[in-house]
Amino acid sequence: DAKTTQPPSMDCAEGRAANLPCNHSTISGNEYVYWYRQIHSQGPQYIIHGLKNNETNEMASLIITEDRKSSTLILPHATLRDTAVYYCIVRVRKAAGNKLTFGGGTRVLVKP
Amino acid sequence: EAGVVQSPRYKIIEKKQPVAFWCNPISGHNTLYWYRQNLGQGPELLIRYENEEAVDDSQLPKDRFSAERLKGVDSTLKIQPAELGDSAVYLCASSPADIQYFGAGTRLSVL
Repeated sequence: DAKTTQPPSMDCAEGRAANLPCNHSTISGNEYVYWYRQIHSQGPQYIIHGLKNNETNEMASLIITEDRKSSTLILPHATLRDTAVYYCIVRVRKAAGNKLTFGGGTRVLVKP
Repeated sequence: EAGVVQSPRYKIIEKKQPVAFWCNPISGHNTLYWYRQNLGQGPELLIRYENEEAVDDSQLPKDRFSAERLKGVDSTLKIQPAELGDSAVYLCASSPADIQYFGAGTRLSVL
């Protein structure tokens, strides 16, 4: 699985959009970008994933650059409950499932 | 729908004692994972099951760790004997195919 690079931490104002960057310059053509987050004292939670097109769901939007070497997770209106560690993971999507390789993630603090 | 259930949530033991963690995955999920998360780091896979078969246990320290998934549903992870370095959060996840759903984990403290 390709390695990812994320900033270790970032602050965000409540009600504003939070833009979380991720670099994955060695991504392969069949690898997807996944985002999970981990709120304090909880297990990781799936947010969104994509291959090359931008994706949006009820939680967030994922913007992947045309060369696929980087992506941005957007939380459109951050709330205090979005304070968490956000993990960007690149992996091949398999029907039978395979492991998630977590890096250090970005620790996001949403401030009132 | 109930999520992945793990117990206990917290466990404190003395070194050299045995300890066991239990996981009940989401109904119908054939794939089950055990991860270990050290303080300040991301989770790391210990073992993956497809139904009752362990298909990836390459990261499981087999001298002291063991796991089982009887009947392809619930799973237990055991450490015997525990060492100080085993203090961590042990996470269980299950998956129907691609997305993994995690339990809240068991926080183990070895004194």
